Amino acid sequence: EAQVTQNPRYLITVTGKKLTVTCSQNMNHEYMSWYRQDPGLGLRQIYYSMNVEVTDKGDVPEGYKVSRKEKRNFPLILESPSPNQTSLYFCASSLSDRGPRVFGSGTRLTVV
Amino acid sequence: AQSVSQHNHHVILSEAASLELGCNYSYGGTVNLFWYVQYPGQHLQLLLKYFSGDPLVKGIKGFEAEFIKSKFSFNLRKPSVQWSDTAEYFCAVNDYGQNFVFGPGTRLSVLP
Repeated sequence: EAQVTQNPRYLITVTGKKLTVTCSQNMNHEYMSWYRQDPGLGLRQIYYSMNVEVTDKGDVPEGYKVSRKEKRNFPLILESPSPNQTSLYFCASSLSDRGPRVFGSGTRLTVV
Repeated sequence: AQSVSQHNHHVILSEAASLELGCNYSYGGTVNLFWYVQYPGQHLQLLLKYFSGDPLVKGIKGFEAEFIKSKFSFNLRKPSVQWSDTAEYFCAVNDYGQNFVFGPGTRLSVLP
């Protein structure tokens, strides 16, 4: 089944403790991206990747890192999480930057 | 920067009522347009997309949308809603660059 898989689904952590949210797609998509969803703000893009080893900042990149060492994986790294990063995170992929995004199931992160 | 607005924050309808959700975007050039639906506790799913051609686009679950270029609009419609259509609906615009921008979302509640 074609899908985008994120892990974990839920995560509670403490301020400053590094964490990684994994994202993997099995559709051979070139384009992958991370969004955060906050009430009243819709989805805002954090980082995106056009292909392996090609990443760029989205609208809200501060406090996040990404890497794209393989085509299928696009992990999101929070080196030192803070409470304002408490949010619902979605990974998405598409054939190209113009195509419809296929979304993962989301990761609800709480930073205390 | 590209922006997307959705007219209503929360719409409440009775079953069998007709639905129209407004979406306007700011970019004046060629765009690809999308509507996504997010059922409670789930990820975003693509309802329909417009790339070119007939400005009236039909999607899944009986939804359709009309692209009116002169009004920078891409409104979503359904002739008769069901309780199962209760969800949040997001309009998104891709401007042929790296910008894939979501609107803030409209929450639809359908009363049985």
